[in-house]
Amino acid sequence: QQQVKQSPQSLIVQKGGISIINCAYENTAFDYFPWYQQFPGKGPALLIAIRPDVSEKKEGRFTISFNKSAKQFSLHIMDSQPGDSATYFCAAAMGGGYNKLIFGAGTRLAVHP
Amino acid sequence: NAGVTQTPKFRVLKTGQSMTLLCAQDMNHEYMYWYRQDPGMGLRLIHYSVGEGTTAKGEVPDGYNVSRLKKQNFLLGLESAAPSQTSVYFCASSTSVAYTDTQYFGPGTRLTVL
Repeated sequence: QQQVKQSPQSLIVQKGGISIINCAYENTAFDYFPWYQQFPGKGPALLIAIRPDVSEKKEGRFTISFNKSAKQFSLHIMDSQPGDSATYFCAAAMGGGYNKLIFGAGTRLAVHP
Repeated sequence: NAGVTQTPKFRVLKTGQSMTLLCAQDMNHEYMYWYRQDPGMGLRLIHYSVGEGTTAKGEVPDGYNVSRLKKQNFLLGLESAAPSQTSVYFCASSTSVAYTDTQYFGPGTRLTVL
């Protein structure tokens, strides 16, 4: 049972364009939503994260938009660059118990020059 | 400071063989995790450890065993490998139990079971 649904599975964007990756969750107990970035042959690395008390968080060209009522959140990459080509995973976690992340299936982003 | 390291990087096994994957971290982290990554399924937690000498099951523990004899090391064992265990395995670690604490991942081990 996939608790965090991620789309699209793959995405091609031209250099300078906006990349948008969407995630949806069912469990309202989730209250921490990180995005991880994974380059080929490497392990995932934390990119940006958000708590549901804010609707948006921006770090450089990367922005998370969060819609608590719709139980959806998305990653926007502005001015996409070829160096952004990677696989992106959304994840969700809740308090109580151990540090457990539930990951989405991943989106493979290719930014063409 | 190497962070999280994994050995080996690649391995091919025949069905029924056994092997151990080693994860080491030099960040003095308490928590360590083993995940498997399969196409279209993201990362799924196999086992985790909240400290030296402790281990617990994650989402997909069947067919795997783990040990954490030293704080810096977390071992993942396959006693009798099956083709369904063909995957990329990632180890991760975090400072504490806080669910907002960043997990730091190793570079992965690509395992093929024939």
